[in-house]
Amino acid sequence: GQQVMQIPQYQHVQEGEDFTTYCNSSTTLSNIQWYKQRPGGHPVFLIQLVKSGEVKKQKRLTFQFGEAKKNSSLHITATQTTDVGTYFCAVGTGTASKLTFGTGTRLQVTL
Amino acid sequence: DTAVSQTPKYLVTQMGNDKSIKCEQNLGHDTMYWYKQDSKKFLKIMFSYNNKELIINETVPNRFSPKSPDKAHLNLHINSLELGDSAVYFCASRLSGRAGNEQFFGPGTRLTVL
Repeated sequence: GQQVMQIPQYQHVQEGEDFTTYCNSSTTLSNIQWYKQRPGGHPVFLIQLVKSGEVKKQKRLTFQFGEAKKNSSLHITATQTTDVGTYFCAVGTGTASKLTFGTGTRLQVTL
Repeated sequence: DTAVSQTPKYLVTQMGNDKSIKCEQNLGHDTMYWYKQDSKKFLKIMFSYNNKELIINETVPNRFSPKSPDKAHLNLHINSLELGDSAVYFCASRLSGRAGNEQFFGPGTRLTVL
């Protein structure tokens, strides 16, 4: 079945440093979504990417979809303590209703 | 005016018991899901209903039985609870009709089986 790996599993940064998480799929994707889950919270939708090579920005967050539509990245510039959480990519598989979530990257930010 | 709500938030029970978790969404969505998140944070889909019809049924033990009385509600009943069922269970909903529509998650139910 669909496998979606994220690296790294965990990253600890100092506030102000940049952070990147990568999402890799074994198959070509029609679209990819990103979610953030704060500690003790639930996943919250961040963005969806659809086009090959697409780049979208949300304030300090930059999302990119690979040219081959098999990978994606999320980059955070100048992290803040509010960025703490686990970031998941999610890909549609089979019917459009089903999302397969990546393994997640847990981000810890300290002052 | 919570969008997706779940009850209970916490559930502690003994092995062998039967328990239910309830989910309701007021977003007007037609598709609802149950996910299981284990201690390593892996988020795995279990079931999905669209307009009260089961459309996704992953390899889940048949001790787990979902039920959707209407498209705003999706419940999960678990029989003969086992230690390995301990996890956080998330309900989510989505409006179908367009590929990639985002999913909205409930706050989760933390189930602990002793």
